[in-house]
Amino acid sequence: EVRLVESGGGSVQPGGSLRLSCAASGFTFTSYWMVWVRQAPGKGLVLVSDLSTDGRTTRYADSVKGRFTISRDNAKNTLYLQMDSLRVEDTAVYYCVRDRDRNYDFWGQGTLVTVSS
Amino acid sequence: DVVMTQSPLSLPVTLGQPASISCRSSQSLVHSDGNTYLNWIQQRPGQSPRHLIYKVSNRDSGVPDRFSGSGSGTDFTLKISRVEAEDVGVYYCMQGTHWPKTFGQGTKVEI
Repeated sequence: EVRLVESGGGSVQPGGSLRLSCAASGFTFTSYWMVWVRQAPGKGLVLVSDLSTDGRTTRYADSVKGRFTISRDNAKNTLYLQMDSLRVEDTAVYYCVRDRDRNYDFWGQGTLVTVSS
Repeated sequence: DVVMTQSPLSLPVTLGQPASISCRSSQSLVHSDGNTYLNWIQQRPGQSPRHLIYKVSNRDSGVPDRFSGSGSGTDFTLKISRVEAEDVGVYYCMQGTHWPKTFGQGTKVEI
């Protein structure tokens, strides 16, 4: 059974940092690009960042470029999202997602990040 | 970025009756490899998203056959042949052809 379990969310002040983790199991982690998608309260889904199977290719939405860093540890089957210089508008549920052939076929349960003073 | 436009944004439905959601993209979703990467995602109330359909019309494992997808180029449709209570939620189309991958605004299906 495919499982994606996010952790690391919480409340932080503007300008602060958080590191999200996503533990993957039930599939060959090294065979898939992985993705972070976020959903602000009451809003739709927005791609944040994605990462190649070997971790060498990273892509970011313009809204987070230069502030967020995606990475993976294939030995630990874990995906990360380092979030620095957080803004109020980064408040959202962050989902870890598996990318299978250009479609997002498995989603984690999400972790809530709240940025507020 | 490719803009995905769904209609309607709110869809009142009757149990046992059909329902249809439209999705239009601002540019063609035909990839250079010949595939069209248009997907449909369901989000039930209080749950994380669930993938339903990939490459326009292919249902994921476990997705009931009352769900069907169709379309080509820039115009796509998700149909539910007979709505059941468990189908309540928000439905998103998503394009995987161009980066960044983008989602529609979502269509809220309610009884």
